[in-house]
Amino acid sequence: AQSVTQLDSQVPVFEEAPVELRCNYSSSVSVYLFWYVQYPNQGLQLLLKYLSGSTLVKGINGFEAEFNKSQTSFHLRKPSVHISDTAEYFCAVSDAETSGSRLTFGEGTQLTVNP
Amino acid sequence: NAGVTQTPKFRILKIGQSMTLQCTQDMNHNYMYWYRQDPGMGLKLIYYSVGAGITDKGEVPNGYNVSRSTTEDFPLRLELAAPSQTSVYFCASSYSSSGAGELFFGEGSRLTVL
Repeated sequence: AQSVTQLDSQVPVFEEAPVELRCNYSSSVSVYLFWYVQYPNQGLQLLLKYLSGSTLVKGINGFEAEFNKSQTSFHLRKPSVHISDTAEYFCAVSDAETSGSRLTFGEGTQLTVNP
Repeated sequence: NAGVTQTPKFRILKIGQSMTLQCTQDMNHNYMYWYRQDPGMGLKLIYYSVGAGITDKGEVPNGYNVSRSTTEDFPLRLELAAPSQTSVYFCASSYSSSGAGELFFGEGSRLTVL
């Protein structure tokens, strides 16, 4: 079984500042890693995912994440945030050896970008 | 493209009442899921389906039932509503048979049980 821990429940930042949302995972098997974003009153949508290969993954809206196997982490970063990035962000993991995308989600991090 | 459509968007139930949350997808995905989202708890998997006629329990199935008679539809049934089922429910679908596939989510159904 896998588990995901998002280390910050809320992250307030000012517009144009850099941001890092932290995610650690635990698993006894190889995994796929995901970040999803949820804008207010909407469903979740995929931001980026790591399946294999390069440990630096680029996603939509200027976000990127780095897979660190030794640290079992998958932190999300953006060099300069906008007001429109205000949303809840979820890190998720799935078992790379099991059919079907049965994701295990973290508790979420609320990113609030202030002017 | 409609994607994943959930109805109703909002519902208030009394304790003991029953209802069905509807979910339809038009992407011909075999895999479909029901999650519930509670504040500070992330999303928990209730039930999932790998194709028409096949369903299985997720992490928190108690108090719910599902069916999958067609590829498109995956309704979630609450038989005897309890306050603990107050939550936001999300239906999702996926095309992939591995854990690598993207999940496509509906906009959610907010349920309050009083």
